[in-house]
Amino acid sequence: GESVGLHLPTLSVQEGDNSIINCAYSNSASDYFIWYKQESGKGPQFIIDIRSNMDKRQGQRVTVLLNKTVKHLSLQIAATQPGDSAVYFCAEYNTGTASKLTFGTGTRLQVTL
Amino acid sequence: EAQVTQNPRYLITVTGKKLTVTCSQNMNHEYMSWYRQDPGLGLRQIYYSMNVEVTDKGDVPEGYKVSRKEKRNFPLILESPSPNQTSLYFCASSLFTGGGSEQFFGPGTRLTVL
Repeated sequence: GESVGLHLPTLSVQEGDNSIINCAYSNSASDYFIWYKQESGKGPQFIIDIRSNMDKRQGQRVTVLLNKTVKHLSLQIAATQPGDSAVYFCAEYNTGTASKLTFGTGTRLQVTL
Repeated sequence: EAQVTQNPRYLITVTGKKLTVTCSQNMNHEYMSWYRQDPGLGLRQIYYSMNVEVTDKGDVPEGYKVSRKEKRNFPLILESPSPNQTSLYFCASSLFTGGGSEQFFGPGTRLTVL
């Protein structure tokens, strides 16, 4: 598959444990945030999003937390499975400027058996 | 099946030889975009289009051209490729621009310029 990054920070988690992936965003004016998952050889895939008027949003096995005070975003994956192994990107968006998502550099999640 | 397709998936070319990477979506999306992905730099936007005949530069447009003559297609053109354009390219589309509209990505095109 395609390599998306040779020097990505890596998080190793045992199968069944919870994973927490962190992201610091740069623009205090950003008001919409998205987490993407990228598996080897594939394009990024939407996981979950959150708007700046929320602190927390839950999906199926995933939760995103937003702390605007310190410009921090986290993705929590419950009961991590081997299929969760991928690179995870956060992206920020400013609806005032429109048109452009700004992506973080990504974190590689490795799930060990 | 709703999808974004790109062709070719892999391409090796030489400096200066014009090439086009095609992108097509079957979801009737208004917004389309091209990104390049490089190790340590994440995804960077090259060009985007908010609708037919409306295109604009992203963060790294130098050396690239795009066109949007039809809603479904958004080709990326490299008039005179150079080695620093060796990268992994992704096309993406979304229903509209702005928050709340999920971007769907194509499978990627790995370009090597010798």
